[in-house]
Amino acid sequence: KAGVTQTPRYLIKTRGQQVTLSCSPISGHRSVSWYQQTPGQGLQFLFEYFSETQRNKGNFPGRFSGRQFSNSRSEMNVSTLELGDSALYLCASSFQGRGTDTQYFGPGTRLTVL
Amino acid sequence: KQEVTQIPAALSVPEGENLVLNCSFTDSAIYNLQWFRQDPGKGLTSLLLIQSSQREQTSGRLNASLDKSSGRSTLYIAASQPGDSATYLCALISNFGNEKLTFGTGTRLTIIP
Repeated sequence: KAGVTQTPRYLIKTRGQQVTLSCSPISGHRSVSWYQQTPGQGLQFLFEYFSETQRNKGNFPGRFSGRQFSNSRSEMNVSTLELGDSALYLCASSFQGRGTDTQYFGPGTRLTVL
Repeated sequence: KQEVTQIPAALSVPEGENLVLNCSFTDSAIYNLQWFRQDPGKGLTSLLLIQSSQREQTSGRLNASLDKSSGRSTLYIAASQPGDSATYLCALISNFGNEKLTFGTGTRLTIIP
């Protein structure tokens, strides 16, 4: 099986712009979660989607949003970019997103905001 | 609020030695605990998953243990190799609230040839 894929791998944007990141889960996985990784804050949970519905949400401002499509692929959007949004954005997929499921991570999208 | 701590933040050991990485958590009500490795600038690779009802899991040279009562997990690496150099992260899913992974801050491991 192919692993979790994320596109693009690298992005450079300027403050005020918006960006969309994409994540394709492992085939058969229906849960997709997004995490932000920064040197200062470590890995923080953004949100989780299951069957096209946002099921869980972390403590991030409304500028961060996402969606999931019927094929379980997910996109994450960040509007009005700020310098502090520079980070590695990771998505993870699991079969159903239950606490007993192993989560598999993609390689990440490195976002730099100038 | 669940807090996950990994000490030390960095560790260097000579090749061939056995080593133990530590992970501590404040609330024992967890679904599972997972160990990951992360190479510089890369995503996370899942190493081992321990369910809350289990005490340990093994994969090759890796052995992870879980003691919920003391809020501790350890990752044992036998016969370390330079390719084991990476940052190791533990993460857990709590029984309450969001079924999200709460990550530790990681231990950066360097194996000296």
